[in-house]
Amino acid sequence: DTAVSQTPKYLVTQMGNDKSIKCEQNLGHDTMYWYKQDSKKFLKIMFSYNNKELIINETVPNRFSPKSPDKAHLNLHINSLELGDSAVYFCASSQGPPGDTYSYEQYFGPGTRLTVT
Amino acid sequence: AQKVTQAQTEISVVEKEDVTLDCVYETRDTTYYLFWYKQPPSGELVFLIRRNSFDEQNEISGRYSWNFQKSTSSFNFTITASQVVDSAVYFCALRRAGTASKLTFGTGTRLQVTL
Repeated sequence: DTAVSQTPKYLVTQMGNDKSIKCEQNLGHDTMYWYKQDSKKFLKIMFSYNNKELIINETVPNRFSPKSPDKAHLNLHINSLELGDSAVYFCASSQGPPGDTYSYEQYFGPGTRLTVT
Repeated sequence: AQKVTQAQTEISVVEKEDVTLDCVYETRDTTYYLFWYKQPPSGELVFLIRRNSFDEQNEISGRYSWNFQKSTSSFNFTITASQVVDSAVYFCALRRAGTASKLTFGTGTRLQVTL
């Protein structure tokens, strides 16, 4: 069974389009995350949700909007895609809220490679 | 502010060699957590280890071992008798305790193990 799954795995689209990436975890975790990995492999957090509540919102253009319908799902919608949005997007999940005194490890999905042409 | 430095951009070794990946971190917090992740060529991120700041015990897991030294703010990762399957990018990461803390990654070290 896949612990953290993302769809699609590859996404090729044109500038200006709107696209969504879906993420689901079956680990029973409370917290989910979106990360962006650029072409140099640098990983940076974008958002974090705990029990459907937004906890972390990094300096991300408001064209990016996360949505968490329940604690097992965290989707990422991107409006008006730009060339610079091309990257690999990773979803992750962990136990416990980010503000907990204990920090659990995060488990990552397989990534979605987004290419904007 | 937190920072993780992986000064080694790329390391190339021959199979069966031992190799150490360096990780140096900066934080003003007394409670924090350190992690190592592996990203093989297939692209997924695989969790390897978590270490708490209050636990300086080194850890060994098979061919993998980790050396945590608070005095030098380092959390180095050694692979003994490397294998081709160890070829990957390895990331060190740091997270503070507290509200809305985020995982800060280093820039990664690409390890290439050849026959």
